[in-house]
Amino acid sequence: GQQLNQSPQSMFIQEGEDVSMNCTSSSIFNTWLWYKQDPGEGPVLLIALYKAGELTSNGRLTAQFGITRKDSFLNISASIPSDVGIYFCAGQLISNAGKSTFGDGTTLTVKP
Amino acid sequence: NAGVMQNPRHLVRRRGQEARLRCSPVKGHSHVYWYRQLPEEGLKFMVYLQKENIIDESGMPKERFSAEFPKEGPSILRIQQVVRGDSAAYFCASSTGNTGELFFGEGSRLTVL
Repeated sequence: GQQLNQSPQSMFIQEGEDVSMNCTSSSIFNTWLWYKQDPGEGPVLLIALYKAGELTSNGRLTAQFGITRKDSFLNISASIPSDVGIYFCAGQLISNAGKSTFGDGTTLTVKP
Repeated sequence: NAGVMQNPRHLVRRRGQEARLRCSPVKGHSHVYWYRQLPEEGLKFMVYLQKENIIDESGMPKERFSAEFPKEGPSILRIQQVVRGDSAAYFCASSTGNTGELFFGEGSRLTVL
């Protein structure tokens, strides 16, 4: 089956720093999505990408759909304490099917 | 403005008992997905249902696990004769079916003693 390699596994940063995380796959996806999960909660969608090369922003978050369709990155600028959580990438082969393959997550800790 | 509602939030079962997890999708969503999450891991796809039909169950174990999404009422994920390895958080998500964007519930955490 398809697998996603998400890195880094964890990050410890100071408030105000920028953050970058990425996902790579051995096979192509037609949709990339980025979610955030807080402790004890379900994932919440941050950004959805539907076209290779697409660069999309949502506030301080920016994500890109790699041109090869096999990777995506998420950047967070000027981090704040509420950015703490686990960030997951997810890929979909069929864009409207909803069946997603998830990475294992990047745990972000922000020190005030 | 209810999102995806899952219950129970926490469930404790002894080995051999049955677990039933319920999911009410976002109003107007007819597509439901069940995912399983182990600690320190990502979510693993189990099953995709669209009102009364199972579309894709490729991630669900063939034995002991079943899912349904009846015409009326919530989707149910049923685990029979639970074993310790079934302990996990089970998340339900719903969508309109027009995009791949999923709306997740808060999860049901199953502990098997």
